Amino acid sequence: NAGVTQTPKFRILKIGQSMTLQCTQDMNHNYMYWYRQDPGMGLKLIYYSVGAGITDKGEVPNGYNVSRSTTEDFPLRLELAAPSQTSVYFCASGRYYEQYFGPGTRLTVT
Amino acid sequence: GQQLNQSPQSMFIQEGEDVSMNCTSSSIFNTWLWYKQDPGEGPVLLIALYKAGELTSNGRLTAQFGITRKDSFLNISASIPSDVGIYFCAGPMDSNYQLIWGAGTKLIIKP
Repeated sequence: NAGVTQTPKFRILKIGQSMTLQCTQDMNHNYMYWYRQDPGMGLKLIYYSVGAGITDKGEVPNGYNVSRSTTEDFPLRLELAAPSQTSVYFCASGRYYEQYFGPGTRLTVT
Repeated sequence: GQQLNQSPQSMFIQEGEDVSMNCTSSSIFNTWLWYKQDPGEGPVLLIALYKAGELTSNGRLTAQFGITRKDSFLNISASIPSDVGIYFCAGPMDSNYQLIWGAGTKLIIKP
């Protein structure tokens, strides 16, 4: 039981490049979430999903897109990377209010 | 909007000391969650509370759901070096099992 896995662990992007952050969970949770955490700060919700085929915006969705074609996978897409997107990205899955986090992806945009 | 205030912002403690931190909300919650984040890792769920007045332990950690339903407390007894990290409280937003997060309490062990 791996829980929530995220790839890659680290990535450096040039301004304007695009990439997809992968997230997979094996706990059969309906709810999945993407957060970003800037240095020394708390968590901000980017997007979330209540089940396959259903996604919705969180607090800071601009510059990101998501899809949820299966219960297990919830990828986050950055289309035109900007320096303001330099952050650590965490994926989480959950049931009710209990959320379980992956190890994070550390992204630098230069 | 809903807000969570977490205090203290940081704590310097000696190994072996007991630690107390708290979280207050501007509105009533029906759930409180406490997480710990180690450096370079994702947050890990420590304790979940679902009933006002509830007191729940997880090893040396004890959390309480305040009877006003607007606050929660986390205590750590006999702190050890691996307790270092950031402790977050979280509570439910209005719908879809979204959470509001506190800004965190950073625990530092004095050398």
